[in-house]
Amino acid sequence: KNQVEQSPQSLIILEGKNCTLQCNYTVSPFSNLRWYKQDTGRGPVSLTIMTFSENTKSNGRYTATLDADTKQSSLHITASQLSDSASYICVVSALPYGGSQGNLIFGKGTKLSVKP
Amino acid sequence: DAGVIQSPRHEVTEMGQEVTLRCKPISGHDYLFWYRQTMMRGLELLIYFNNNVPIDDSGMPEDRFSAKMPNASFSTLKIQPSEPRDSAVYFCASSPTRNTEAFFGQGTRLTVV
Repeated sequence: KNQVEQSPQSLIILEGKNCTLQCNYTVSPFSNLRWYKQDTGRGPVSLTIMTFSENTKSNGRYTATLDADTKQSSLHITASQLSDSASYICVVSALPYGGSQGNLIFGKGTKLSVKP
Repeated sequence: DAGVIQSPRHEVTEMGQEVTLRCKPISGHDYLFWYRQTMMRGLELLIYFNNNVPIDDSGMPEDRFSAKMPNASFSTLKIQPSEPRDSAVYFCASSPTRNTEAFFGQGTRLTVV
């Protein structure tokens, strides 16, 4: 069964500290993996999209890694800011296979709170 | 471009009533997605369109839900009749291709009482 598991469920850190969010998936056949940031009351905003051949991709203070062999991804946030407080959602896209159109499988997200 | 525009932002309705959610995608985007988000289940893909044609509606929970895309700049998600368990935030998103970045609207918060 295609699944995306994220950990931790929630996290509280102090402003200026680094943190790493985890995403494990069992999706096949794999197409790409995305990280989204969702502020409270807003729609998700894409941070990165990574394909099978990409190991690392950065977007400012956000760095995503992908290990396609172990089916794990991480999102590292450097020098956190108060504005980083949000939910971070990992989404894995499956390739069309057989009669399936290919699905997007969503993790339930990690809720990050950055405190001053 | 103003991004993906959804209306209304908030909707409160009584059980049994018909609810229609509206979405205007980003111009030039060939793909449009409807999602539902709840605390319990997170984000779920309900249906997506390619060039106005529904491609995969396997996420639509039941026949009470229907979606249309009469043209490239407008889509609706209709629930008839609505039930309290339909209460959620409904997002519309669009993207140029299926596997590129999707841009989300602000969502419609639906409360069915």
